[in-house]
Amino acid sequence: DVKVTQSSRYLVKRTGEKVFLECVQDMDHENMFWYRQDPGLGLRLIYFSYDVKMKEKGDIPEGYSVSREKKERFSLILESASTNQTSMYLCASSLGTGGSANVLTFGAGSRLTVL
Amino acid sequence: AQTVTQSQPEMSVQEAETVTLSCTYDTSESDYYLFWYKQPPSRQMILVIRQEAYKQQNATENRFSVNFQKAAKSFSLKISDSQLGDAAMYFCAYRSPNTGNQFYFGTGTSLTVIP
Repeated sequence: DVKVTQSSRYLVKRTGEKVFLECVQDMDHENMFWYRQDPGLGLRLIYFSYDVKMKEKGDIPEGYSVSREKKERFSLILESASTNQTSMYLCASSLGTGGSANVLTFGAGSRLTVL
Repeated sequence: AQTVTQSQPEMSVQEAETVTLSCTYDTSESDYYLFWYKQPPSRQMILVIRQEAYKQQNATENRFSVNFQKAAKSFSLKISDSQLGDAAMYFCAYRSPNTGNQFYFGTGTSLTVIP
């Protein structure tokens, strides 16, 4: 089975701190995604990447950046954390094909609290 | 961006009974994929079932089946013989083959299973 591992399950940071959320997948997936999950809002796409060093903005990229230096690793960066970035962050990966096998596999999530 | 709507924020079902979760979506595309994902409390999001838009036959996975109505842009999930382990947040998702294989999610339905 594909595994998507998020390095931190729970984080508490202070306003203005730089925050790194790391995600690693072990099945050579082309695409990787970062979502933010908030109650009543579902999952909103922050950024995704379809190849090493490639990135595309999702629906809510403001205040975030990403890095994909290696195929298996996709990092989400909050340059200066703010309280409105308190949320659950989900990393996911998928095959690069267009067929029905292209499904999302999720990590366990990282719950970030910004004080 | 495609819109996915789940109009039932919360649902409940008696154990062993059947429940149907609703999902509608808005798209002008003719070829796409639809998914139901399950997120148990404090656990990882997992794929429940998928449907290709070009297939008329409704997908089935054990106790889980869908009612796919392409013209109505409706994709409901039926859970038969509900079990306590079915209690979770359920998300409907749409994948477009034309926008970088992005996935679009609904806001989720929280399902409670009553013993």
